[in-house]
Amino acid sequence: DAMVIQNPRYQVTQFGKPVTLSCSQTLNHNVMYWYQQKSSQAPKLLFHYYDKDFNNEADTPDNFQSRRPNTSFCFLDIRSPGLGDAAMYLCATSRGAGNTDTQYFGPGTRLTVL
Amino acid sequence: AQKVTQAQTEISVVEKEDVTLDCVYETRDTTYYLFWYKQPPSGELVFLIRRNSFDEQNEISGRYSWNFQKSTSSFNFTITASQVVDSAVYFCALSEDYGQNFVFGPGTRLSVLP
Repeated sequence: DAMVIQNPRYQVTQFGKPVTLSCSQTLNHNVMYWYQQKSSQAPKLLFHYYDKDFNNEADTPDNFQSRRPNTSFCFLDIRSPGLGDAAMYLCATSRGAGNTDTQYFGPGTRLTVL
Repeated sequence: AQKVTQAQTEISVVEKEDVTLDCVYETRDTTYYLFWYKQPPSGELVFLIRRNSFDEQNEISGRYSWNFQKSTSSFNFTITASQVVDSAVYFCALSEDYGQNFVFGPGTRLSVLP
């Protein structure tokens, strides 16, 4: 019944070693989002896709990239993880492109960087 | 400028007490939406409510109720007869029709003690 699925739930990587986090959805929503949430902080939007259109937030580091090969899947690539990239990464979806649509979140992937 | 303020960082109550979580927002848009999400220890953000700027009617859903007052730019959330399972971090979020998409407040950590 899970609607927004994130794998893995826990990911450990080494400093500088590329890592990919995945998200899939069964809602057939047009929009998929990636958020970074550090400990005791609010989620921070990194970027989102409306269909295949990619929208990057102005302050998202170049180290973070994303791919959306089809409606159901979206990936977050961290090219050279630093210690400061250790965080919970949340994927969300919404039906439309409007800012006002409700976003539905997955359970998150907790990334540890050694 | 911070757009969503949740002044209460942490609240502790004893089970069966009522508790109100405050949310104050700031926007120049006339059309905007406000949201509340619950984040239990498992990490997933659970959608609770979405309210548009033209609907100031208060809402009740079981033990949850929301008080939206445009005059004070507040959208407060009350849990009646709190339960241990209500323990979580609660985020208020603002989404502007023509402005920023989904800005979260800093969150309020609620602990309900048995």
